[in-house]
Amino acid sequence: AQSVAQPEDQVNVAEGNPLTVKCTYSVSGNPYLFWYVQYPNRGLQFLLKYITGDNLVKGSYGFEAEFNKSQTSFHLKKPSALVSDSALYFCAVRFQTGANNLFFGTGTRLTVIP
Amino acid sequence: DAGITQSPRHKVTETGTPVTLRCHQTENHRYMYWYRQDPGHGLRLIHYSYGVKDTDKGEVSDGYSVSRSKTEDFLLTLESATSSQTSVYFCAISNAIANTGELFFGEGSRLTVL
Repeated sequence: AQSVAQPEDQVNVAEGNPLTVKCTYSVSGNPYLFWYVQYPNRGLQFLLKYITGDNLVKGSYGFEAEFNKSQTSFHLKKPSALVSDSALYFCAVRFQTGANNLFFGTGTRLTVIP
Repeated sequence: DAGITQSPRHKVTETGTPVTLRCHQTENHRYMYWYRQDPGHGLRLIHYSYGVKDTDKGEVSDGYSVSRSKTEDFLLTLESATSSQTSVYFCAISNAIANTGELFFGEGSRLTVL
């Protein structure tokens, strides 16, 4: 079955420390992978995507993500966390063929502690 | 921000009543989607549209219908609301080619069914 998983419901990190939010996927063929962020009472905002090419993708607000095909992972990273990064983060996958919709993970709540 | 407007933003209704949520876009994007967001489930696709009068079901379509009579409007209807349909509903749009493009989300519509 094709799916995307975020194994951690909650991640806490101290301000200034590096952060990682994990995402793994299970698909047949090559996936298109996305990260979104959701602030309280708001819609989802696009952060970055991997389509093809360089495995390290840079996105908005200093975030980056590394596509690892052998581990089927697409972890979100940032070298130095800010309190304002505290939010709900969603990983999503779209398949190369078929319907043009995104399948989302269950989300990871990131809390950056001052 | 993408030009997406959802209405109403908040609604409380009673079991058995019909409810219609509206999504209006000013971007002239081809694809429109309705997702619901529930704790522990992330976002799940209800229905989507790939053009005027062209719609298809998502993974949680039971109890919902949609219509798209104009490019800019995508309506989600609950014919007879149930308590299990209490949720936050998000509209999204995309102009993706070959499934590579990101989705842009509205601010959400919070529906409570008593």
